Amino acid sequence: DARVTQTPRHKVTEMGQEVTMRCQPILGHNTVFWYRQTMMQGLELLAYFRNRAPLDDSGMPKDRFSAEMPDATLATLKIQPSEPRDSAVYFCASGLVGSGAQFFGPGTRLTVL
Amino acid sequence: GQQLNQSPQSMFIQEGEDVSMNCTSSSIFNTWLWYKQDPGEGPVLLIALYKAGELTSNGRLTAQFGITRKDSFLNISASIPSDVGIYFCAALAGGTSYGKLTFGQGTILTVHP
Repeated sequence: DARVTQTPRHKVTEMGQEVTMRCQPILGHNTVFWYRQTMMQGLELLAYFRNRAPLDDSGMPKDRFSAEMPDATLATLKIQPSEPRDSAVYFCASGLVGSGAQFFGPGTRLTVL
Repeated sequence: GQQLNQSPQSMFIQEGEDVSMNCTSSSIFNTWLWYKQDPGEGPVLLIALYKAGELTSNGRLTAQFGITRKDSFLNISASIPSDVGIYFCAALAGGTSYGKLTFGQGTILTVHP
């Protein structure tokens, strides 16, 4: 059963701490997306990778957020330093170029105190 | 920018009733997707539509890609309690925005037994 996996599922941290979220895309998928979901803003695209290359990270606060794909089976999203306004659910999704369909992971619920 | 207007925002129905929701836009899209999100989980892809006029079913769900490429609807027949959740439409444009989904604000569905 092919699924996107994300770790951790929940993270509580204090303001100023570094947060790292990890995602394993579906094997064979060549696009990876990071989203943030809040009640106020809904789903916001933070970053987008195609064949591990970052194509668009315009939705990401550059001063504190960074996204990477060290290899085809791992995508990471880091926040340093974290702030209370970063509290949200962060989703990773993967897909195939040419398909359009994106498959979401279960999300990481981040709370920054 | 591109926006999807999803309606209704919420629905309260009795078990067994049919449900209809739709998304409209002033922009043209090449792909329409419908997702369902349960509490504490990521969005799950229900139906993907790739051609204008396409009508696709998945069990009790039926969705159509509008002929103008600016709208889509989702119908659920004979609703059951497990249909409860938030339903999102999403659409993909072509060209330079390829890969970036635009999401509707969601329809919250409540089904009374």
